[in-house]
Amino acid sequence: EIVLTQSPGTLSLSPGERATLSCRASQSVGSSYLAWYQQKPGQAPRLLIYGASSRATGIPDRISGSGSGTDFTLTLSRLEPEDFGVYYCQHYFSSPYTFGQGTKLEIK
Amino acid sequence: QVQLVQSGAEVKKPGSSVKVSCKASGGTFSTFVISWVRQAPGQGLEWVGGVIPLFGTTYYAQKFQGRITTRTDESTSTAYMELSSLRPEDTAVYYCARVSGTWNYYFDYWGQGTLVTVSS
Repeated sequence: EIVLTQSPGTLSLSPGERATLSCRASQSVGSSYLAWYQQKPGQAPRLLIYGASSRATGIPDRISGSGSGTDFTLTLSRLEPEDFGVYYCQHYFSSPYTFGQGTKLEIK
Repeated sequence: QVQLVQSGAEVKKPGSSVKVSCKASGGTFSTFVISWVRQAPGQGLEWVGGVIPLFGTTYYAQKFQGRITTRTDESTSTAYMELSSLRPEDTAVYYCARVSGTWNYYFDYWGQGTLVTVSS
């Protein structure tokens, strides 16, 4: 089973700042078998990024994904208040398709 | 626009069973692959399992094997998950989610979640 480790656990930033979230896999998940989700309290997760760097429908271009192999990054430039929440990465390289433990993004 | 609407919250006794439904609209259900994800209170996301179309098999996480059944009813565009021999640690929000595609097992649409509480 591939283990995904996200860092940092919590990130506290102000609107307008840049957020960089990391997701590291215990073994390679290929060049693009990684997705990112945002979850707000009491809501279902929402797909942000798939294929490591492709934005889902309706996701603004200030949100971007990058990486390959074992190291992936989600970047949110110019943070807005609605960006708060918990962010999860998920690989789909091989079953079981596991999630990372999440990074909580707090807006100051 | 695809929508997944799940059944309401459940409170169950340890040892009993629960059945969660997930009704789809806005697409061709026969082409959907529905998978299940759960989230214990205050915890992260955990893939419960579902059909893996690439291999034509169904995967369930080990902790659920032998006590979980998932199925779909195309006549009503509804997917079901039934979990038996419930334990207090099964208390969680259970989500159904649509798998994007055969080669891309990420989740592009989610249900609103169903809270299952297991308590004596």
